[in-house]
Amino acid sequence: SYELTQSPSLSVSPGQTARITCSGGNLGNKYVCWYQQKPGQSPVVVIYHDTQRPSGIPERFSGSSSGNTATLTISGTQAMDEADYYCQAWDSSSASVFGGGTKLTVL
Amino acid sequence: QVNLVQSGPEVKRPGASVKVSCRASGYSFPIFGLNWVRQAPGQGLEWMGWISGYNGNTNYAQKFQGRVTMTTDTSTSTAYMELRSLTSDDTAVYYCSRTKYYESSGYFDYWGQGTLVTVSS
Repeated sequence: SYELTQSPSLSVSPGQTARITCSGGNLGNKYVCWYQQKPGQSPVVVIYHDTQRPSGIPERFSGSSSGNTATLTISGTQAMDEADYYCQAWDSSSASVFGGGTKLTVL
Repeated sequence: QVNLVQSGPEVKRPGASVKVSCRASGYSFPIFGLNWVRQAPGQGLEWMGWISGYNGNTNYAQKFQGRVTMTTDTSTSTAYMELRSLTSDDTAVYYCSRTKYYESSGYFDYWGQGTLVTVSS
């Protein structure tokens, strides 16, 4: 079965740039989405179709993809961005797959 | 506005079944598909499957095939997810989420509030 791999955790200082990566075989031929989940809340999409930002999501969130790796970049990270982040893609059988998640700590 | 409202928490014995509902409002139910995603305590998100709001077609994750059934009631814009033969490993928060189609792909643009299912003897 298809797998997406994320680093379990990342720590950044306020104002720094956070880069969260997601890797998977042939990922460059798939579209990746990113979800933010804060404790006790439902996930929220912050990036879809590799680079698209939904309305209401701050401009400091951006996405990119190259080769087998997709990256979620948070520029000027704020304390409110502390959360778990999950990448997601669809495999060849139209099944959705989530990465294991990255816990972003802002300290 | 789009809203997905799920049924309340459940406590089940091992071996039992659970049926969780997800009532949609604020959009045309047949146009979008709905997914079920679960999250065990302290763990990540796990996709369980998808159901079409138009014709009830389904696509289940291989892990759950034979043990899950997803259905819809278009008259009430409600989706259901039934999971059978429960074990303690099925203890999780179960979410429904809508698929927003964009070009040749899709993403989950709205989520329900989650339903905690606890399996315990």
